[in-house]
Amino acid sequence: GQQVMQIPQYQHVQEGEDFTTYCNSSTTLSNIQWYKQRPGGHPVFLIQLVKSGEVKKQKRLTFQFGEAKKNSSLHITATQTTDVGTYFCAATSSSGSARQLTFGSGTQLTVLP
Amino acid sequence: DAMVIQNPRYQVTQFGKPVTLSCSQTLNHNVMYWYQQKSSQAPKLLFHYYDKDFNNEADTPDNFQSRRPNTSFCFLDIRSPGLGDAAMYLCATSRDHTAYSYEQYFGPGTRLTVT
Repeated sequence: GQQVMQIPQYQHVQEGEDFTTYCNSSTTLSNIQWYKQRPGGHPVFLIQLVKSGEVKKQKRLTFQFGEAKKNSSLHITATQTTDVGTYFCAATSSSGSARQLTFGSGTQLTVLP
Repeated sequence: DAMVIQNPRYQVTQFGKPVTLSCSQTLNHNVMYWYQQKSSQAPKLLFHYYDKDFNNEADTPDNFQSRRPNTSFCFLDIRSPGLGDAAMYLCATSRDHTAYSYEQYFGPGTRLTVT
């Protein structure tokens, strides 16, 4: 089945530093979604990217979808303690069902005050 | 507020004793999903319903079954829980489009312990 690789697995940053997590697929993706899961919580939808080369911003968060639609990144500028959690990408293959998301392994972000 | 509700939030069952987890939604979404999430891992899709159409993932064990009696409710039945089935079980919903994925709304999860 489809696999989505996500790196790094863990990231510790000092508050105020930037953070980036990357997702890569060997197959072309139809779209990619990003979710945040706080410790002890459930995944919460952040954004969806559909178009090749698409860039979207949400305040300090910048999301990118690669030109080949095989990779994506989430960048957080000037992290805050409220950014703590695990960030997952989740993708739908261009050849698969639009209803079936494959989650990346996640990047667990720790922000040190 | 429209939402996804899961009951119970914590469930303890004995090895081999059947258990049922429930999920309800007020979003009127026609797709409902069940995921299994183990500690420090990504959610793993077990199956999903599009209306009453059941779709099982190829690697979901036969031990896991699901029922969706109506649009609002969906149940996860584990017929004979093993120690390896201890996990967080997440229910999610979404609108449906055959060629376009919509965001998924997750419930708070049920944490299952098997003793």
